[in-house]
Parts: sequence; C-alpha cells; structure tokens
Amino acid sequence: EVQLLESGGGLVQPGGSLRLSCAASGFTFSNYFMSWVRQAPGKGLEWVSVISGGGSSTYYADSVKGRFTISRDNSKNTLYLQINSLRAEDTAVYYCAKRAADGLKYFDYWGQGTLVTVSS
Amino acid sequence: QTVVTQEPSFSVSPGGTVTLTCALSSGSVSTSYYPSWYQQTPGQAPRTLIFSTNTRSSGVPDRFSGSILGNKAALTITGAQADDESDYYCVLYMGSGIWVFGGGTKLTVL
Repeated sequence: EVQLLESGGGLVQPGGSLRLSCAASGFTFSNYFMSWVRQAPGKGLEWVSVISGGGSSTYYADSVKGRFTISRDNSKNTLYLQINSLRAEDTAVYYCAKRAADGLKYFDYWGQGTLVTVSS
Repeated sequence: QTVVTQEPSFSVSPGGTVTLTCALSSGSVSTSYYPSWYQQTPGQAPRTLIFSTNTRSSGVPDRFSGSILGNKAALTITGAQADDESDYYCVLYMGSGIWVFGGGTKLTVL
C-alpha cells in the first residue's frame, strides 16, 4: 500500500525557513517523480514543485522559484521541500504527491499534508 | 502567465447530471495537456478521479467521466449522489515539468 507522510510544518516568523519532509513507502520511491502541492486556507490547490526520480531534474512554480528547493534522498525514501524567506502568503497545507508512471502525467497518490503557518 | 479557469460553484439535484469544465486563459485544452481531475472534501487530501482526459482512477464509480468538450476539459457526474458534494479541481500539464491547477469548483448536491 502506498503511503506518503508529511512532516515538518509549524508556526514560523516571516523571513524564516522551514524544511518539510515526506516519507514514502509501498512503492519503489526512486522510480517516480514526486511533487509538492499546497493549499492556502480556504483556497484552491496550487502546484509548487516536482523532482525526477533520480533527483537530477527539478521544476518550480513561478511563485516560489528562488525561495523553495525540492530534493530527495532515495536511500531514505524521503522527499523534502526547503522553504526560505517565508511570507504570509506561504501559509498553507503542503501536500506531497506521487506522480504516476512515466507517460501518465497525473498525481496518483497524496499525503495528508502538513500545515505551515507564517506569522509574527 | 497561464490561468486555468473552473466554475467557482455549481449545484445539482440528487440523481441529476452536472458537467464541470476546465479552460485555459489562452488557447484550447486538448489531450496533450493530460487533464486530470481531483475530488476534495474539507480537511481531506485530494482524491484522484480522472487522468489523461477520460481514464477513471481505480475505484472511482463510473458515474464520473472525463472528456474534452469544445475547447475545455470536462468532468461529468451522471446520477449525482449526496456524497459527491465536494470541491473538484482540474490540473493541466503545461510541459517542461510544469502543472497548473484550476481554481476549483464547489459542487453542492441539493
């Protein structure tokens, strides 16, 4: 059974940093692109970033480029999102999502999310 | 900047049929954008419904179907049930590793 478990969220001051983690199990982690998607309170889903299975290719939404860094440790089956220079508008639930097999461009499994609150 | 537009809200009667759409700010949605659809209830993670325009994810009832209607992607619910009351999101793959979600449609069944 595929499981994705996010952690690392919390309350952080504006300008601060945070690293989110997503522990994956139930599939061969290194074979799949993985993504982060966020949802601000009461708002819709926003795609944030994706990383290839080996970690060599990364892509970001324009809204986070330069402040967010996606990475992975395939030896630990864990996905990360480093968030720097946090702003109030980064307040959101952050979901990790597994991208389906190559050629099927959609997200087939989602974690339950971790809440990041940016406030002084 | 690419914007993906969905109806903010929609209402359907139990047993009725509703079609939600997903449009691009510039241009037409085609299968090349690999439109997929997700259902989300409050406090829950999204659930995958439809991928690659019209393929139902495992376990999704056949009352959910996807298509291209004109220049938009569409999600049709035939025989709506009370527990279909949710938020529905489409997402398009723009190429070069980039996805864009629509703003979501809040569906009310009453």
